[in-house]
Amino acid sequence: KQEVTQIPAALSVPEGENLVLNCSFTDSAIYNLQWFRQDPGKGLTSLLLIQSSQREQTSGRLNASLDKSSGRSTLYIAASQPGDSATYLCAVRRNKLIFGTGTLLAVQP
Amino acid sequence: GAVVSQHPSRVICKSGTSVKIECRSLDFQATTMFWYRQFPKKSLMLMATSNEGSKATYEQGVEKDKFLINHASLTLSTLTVTSAHPEDSSFYICSARRHPEAFFGQGTRLTVV
Repeated sequence: KQEVTQIPAALSVPEGENLVLNCSFTDSAIYNLQWFRQDPGKGLTSLLLIQSSQREQTSGRLNASLDKSSGRSTLYIAASQPGDSATYLCAVRRNKLIFGTGTLLAVQP
Repeated sequence: GAVVSQHPSRVICKSGTSVKIECRSLDFQATTMFWYRQFPKKSLMLMATSNEGSKATYEQGVEKDKFLINHASLTLSTLTVTSAHPEDSSFYICSARRHPEAFFGQGTRLTVV
């Protein structure tokens, strides 16, 4: 059974810092991995999708990497801003999309 | 990106009544949609997979008679919470996949009083 874990569960950083969010999964037989952002009381916004054959994807200040063999992905956020404050979820897909436990990020002005 | 619209965003209902939540893919056709439930400060739990033109596939532990799913067209899936109880109060989110990416609705906050 696939299990997805995210570390840390919560993170508070001052504005401008670079930060890394971690995601690990137990079954490496995945089709892809997707990072999402969720604001309080809202749905999910897709940030980046990495196919199983890819190593990383970049969008603006965000960079996500994937090491499928070790069951790990990282989301790197450069020059963090208060508007980045949200919960970040990773999810891996084979037949279904299995979500991680989430990281609650607070960027202090 | 693709847009998935979910309605209503908030609903309050009395115990014993039924509530219908709609999920629409606005700019693409989705033969499969997914319904999730999210408890406070928890991650998303897949409830069921909605298949256009056929019966939904429910995850273990999810009561199919309580959470009725209908996927009548390629752009619309509905989740009906029947005979709602206060413990059904939760945040429900739908998703549709436009290969290879999954897109999510805005979520529905259900409160049963």
